[in-house]
Amino acid sequence: TQLLEQSPQFLSIQEGENLTVYCNSSSVFSSLQWYRQEPGEGPVLLVTVVTGGEVKKLKRLTFQFGDARKDSSLHITAAQTGDTGLYLCAGSAAGNKLTFGGGTRVLVKP
Amino acid sequence: DAGVIQSPRHEVTEMGQEVTLRCKPISGHNSLFWYRQTMMRGLELLIYFNNNVPIDDSGMPEDRFSAKMPNASFSTLKIQPSEPRDSAVYFCASSLTGSVSNQPQHFGDGTRLSIL
Repeated sequence: TQLLEQSPQFLSIQEGENLTVYCNSSSVFSSLQWYRQEPGEGPVLLVTVVTGGEVKKLKRLTFQFGDARKDSSLHITAAQTGDTGLYLCAGSAAGNKLTFGGGTRVLVKP
Repeated sequence: DAGVIQSPRHEVTEMGQEVTLRCKPISGHNSLFWYRQTMMRGLELLIYFNNNVPIDDSGMPEDRFSAKMPNASFSTLKIQPSEPRDSAVYFCASSLTGSVSNQPQHFGDGTRLSIL
């Protein structure tokens, strides 16, 4: 069974601060995705990374895939209250079956 | 464009009753996934279909759970008999086809199920 561990589980910061969320595994993934989920809604895909060492930027969000394709990080610069939500990483070893991490709940206070 | 549509949004029923959750995937999507989300276990894949055929049901908890996809535009997840430990939010997702590297999964807003 492939497991993805996210840390921290919960993060509370002030608007304007930076934050980093980590996603780690002992398994190698062919691709890794990051989702954001808001209360009462389903997860929404933010990004997919497929190449070891890959870095992708989405406005103030920076995603990195580890060189060995076992870990990933999400960094948010100058967080805004709209960034509040549950951030989920999900890995795929083959095909279209995803394994999700436990999630990091981010609260950005005004 | 219509996204993945799930019904009902909320379901409260007594243990022992049959529960049926419904999902309409995005038109043209060939893969459909059922997930369960709880605080303790997070988001877990229960079963997924490609072209209406079940491919992997290893995540289905036990025989009380069953899923069908009679056509490309409709799927059901049934629990019979239901138990309090089945209480969770159940999500349906669909993707165009193929590998997740190329085709993202689009999630519905979920069904919040409470078994009393």
